[in-house]
Amino acid sequence: KAGVTQTPRYLIKTRGQQVTLSCSPISGHRSVSWYQQTPGQGLQFLFEYFSETQRNKGNFPGRFSGRQFSNSRSEMNVSTLELGDSALYLCASSWTSGSMAGELFFGEGSRLTVL
Amino acid sequence: KQEVTQIPAALSVPEGENLVLNCSFTDSAIYNLQWFRQDPGKGLTSLLLIQSSQREQTSGRLNASLDKSSGRSTLYIAASQPGDSATYLCAVSKRSSNTGKLIFGQGTTLQVKP
Repeated sequence: KAGVTQTPRYLIKTRGQQVTLSCSPISGHRSVSWYQQTPGQGLQFLFEYFSETQRNKGNFPGRFSGRQFSNSRSEMNVSTLELGDSALYLCASSWTSGSMAGELFFGEGSRLTVL
Repeated sequence: KQEVTQIPAALSVPEGENLVLNCSFTDSAIYNLQWFRQDPGKGLTSLLLIQSSQREQTSGRLNASLDKSSGRSTLYIAASQPGDSATYLCAVSKRSSNTGKLIFGQGTTLQVKP
């Protein structure tokens, strides 16, 4: 059974550009969450999607957006990149949403560097 | 606001030693607590999930306990091995039907010396 797949694994962008990251959840999982990990702030919640609907959003500016498709795959987009957006972006999947979601399974992450 | 703290931030032990990692949280209204392992530059690997109604979970050499009333969890690693070297993170989910959002601690970086 394949795990959570994130692409691309590494990318370098310059300030002002935009980036799109992709996440394919474990087969059968319908919920996808995104987290940002930085050395200073640790792991912070970005958003959670279930059945193509955003269920929850973290405290991030509107430059951060996401969506989920009918096959449960998810994308997140960051527009007008800033140096502080450099981070490891992690996607997690679970079979359902909410506190009944149980165990979350994470992908390997997308390492974004903004120059 | 839920806050999760992990102590110590870093730990170095000789191979074969038993060790305990600590996690504390400020709001006892959690649904579950999950322990993860993260190797450098990698994603998170789920180790153990403890539901709020449970007291402990075991997997191989790992044992996690939960004391919800005191806001504490411990991860016990028996007979540590160099391959256990990694950062260990605990995370709690809020007792809410609306979200499975996890609140993470800053992690404990473990080094097991051969």
